[in-house]
Amino acid sequence: DTGVSQDPRHKITKRGQNVTFRCDPISEHNRLYWYRQTLGQGPEFLTYFQNEAQLEKSRLLSDRFSAERPKGSFSTLEIQRTEQGDSAMYLCASSLNRGVDSEQFFGPGTRLTVL
Amino acid sequence: LAKITQPISMDSYEGQEVNITCSHNNIATNDYITWYQQFPSQGPRFIIQGYKTKVTNEVASLFIPADRKSSTLSLPRVSLSDTAVYYCLVNDYKLSFGAGTTVTVRA
Repeated sequence: DTGVSQDPRHKITKRGQNVTFRCDPISEHNRLYWYRQTLGQGPEFLTYFQNEAQLEKSRLLSDRFSAERPKGSFSTLEIQRTEQGDSAMYLCASSLNRGVDSEQFFGPGTRLTVL
Repeated sequence: LAKITQPISMDSYEGQEVNITCSHNNIATNDYITWYQQFPSQGPRFIIQGYKTKVTNEVASLFIPADRKSSTLSLPRVSLSDTAVYYCLVNDYKLSFGAGTTVTVRA
């Protein structure tokens, strides 16, 4: 499968713990995006990378959240001191940089449950 | 950022055509209109994209009038497997999803 992959698919943690998610984009894609989706809502943009550079962060991304994309390949999203409000599906997407009309390919998501 | 309005839900039957209209009154000159489909517990999937007039691919058609203030996604002859949430987006590099339209196809 040459699509976007995410690991783990599910994560259950206790409030206050740290969690880290991984995203492997489609290999030739230079843009990588993170979104968060809560039940009944569409995905909300969190941040995106072009190659290894993090170019934009949403204000939804509090200082407990950090994302990296070392070497412009896979990316990690870490949430420190998790809160129950962090429970959501975290989606990763990748695209080729062809401007604003670039189709984004989404992974299956990581479902986080904070108890 | 363009404000998107689309119906919350639509019901249909197998074999019928489903048309979902989206309004985006303040769309910018350079914006494209894109539709994504999402099944439960999966990431969204690109369906179709257009700038003006009509675009057709193997799964859908997209109709965009000259003023580009609205667009209509047309799904021909839907099947049960087309039951999903459909999102209309006006493009930016950071996709801005609304709540989408839940389409339910019944036998």
